[in-house]
Amino acid sequence: DAKTTQPTSMDCAEGRAANLPCNHSTISGNEYVYWYRQIHSQGPQYIIHGLKNNETNEMASLIITEDRKSSTLILPHATLRDTAVYYCIVRPSNTGNQFYFGTGTSLTVIP
Amino acid sequence: GAVVSQHPSRVICKSGTSVKIECRSLDFQATTMFWYRQFPKQSLMLMATSNEGSKATYEQGVEKDKFLINHASLTLSTLTVTSAHPEDSSFYICSARDLQDEKLFFGSGTQLSVL
Repeated sequence: DAKTTQPTSMDCAEGRAANLPCNHSTISGNEYVYWYRQIHSQGPQYIIHGLKNNETNEMASLIITEDRKSSTLILPHATLRDTAVYYCIVRPSNTGNQFYFGTGTSLTVIP
Repeated sequence: GAVVSQHPSRVICKSGTSVKIECRSLDFQATTMFWYRQFPKQSLMLMATSNEGSKATYEQGVEKDKFLINHASLTLSTLTVTSAHPEDSSFYICSARDLQDEKLFFGSGTQLSVL
């Protein structure tokens, strides 16, 4: 799996947009970009994933650069409950392929 | 989204005993499940891939005889920590993939404390 690079930590004011970057410069053509988050002492929660096009769901938006070497997860209106560690993972979507977690970004939403 | 149930959520045991952790996919079938462990303030580390009806595939450095994995059905995988020692104390998390979906769903984790 391609390696990803994320900032160790970020702060965001409550109600503002949180933009979490991820670099994946060695991503292959068949690899998707997945985002998960982990709130303290819980299992990771799926947020969003995409291949080439930008994606949006009820939780977040995913912006992938045209060369696919980086992406940004956007939480449009951060709340205190969004405080968590956010993981960016790249992997093929084939059945059985493992998810390897990097170090992630610890996001703190400040009141 | 799909639900993965993991039990127990917390277990405290004496050194030398064995502990079994269950992982169930409640509303989908999972031919493949994954087991992770996580130490405080660290990321998730993949331990093994559990395949229904066959032997598990372990990551490098993970002891097969220490961490026994059984995946007897399409909805249940178990991880048994054998002869647990204090250094095995950790947060263990299972995950499963719905064949109809590209996403991986995670259990709520098991906090193991070995005294």
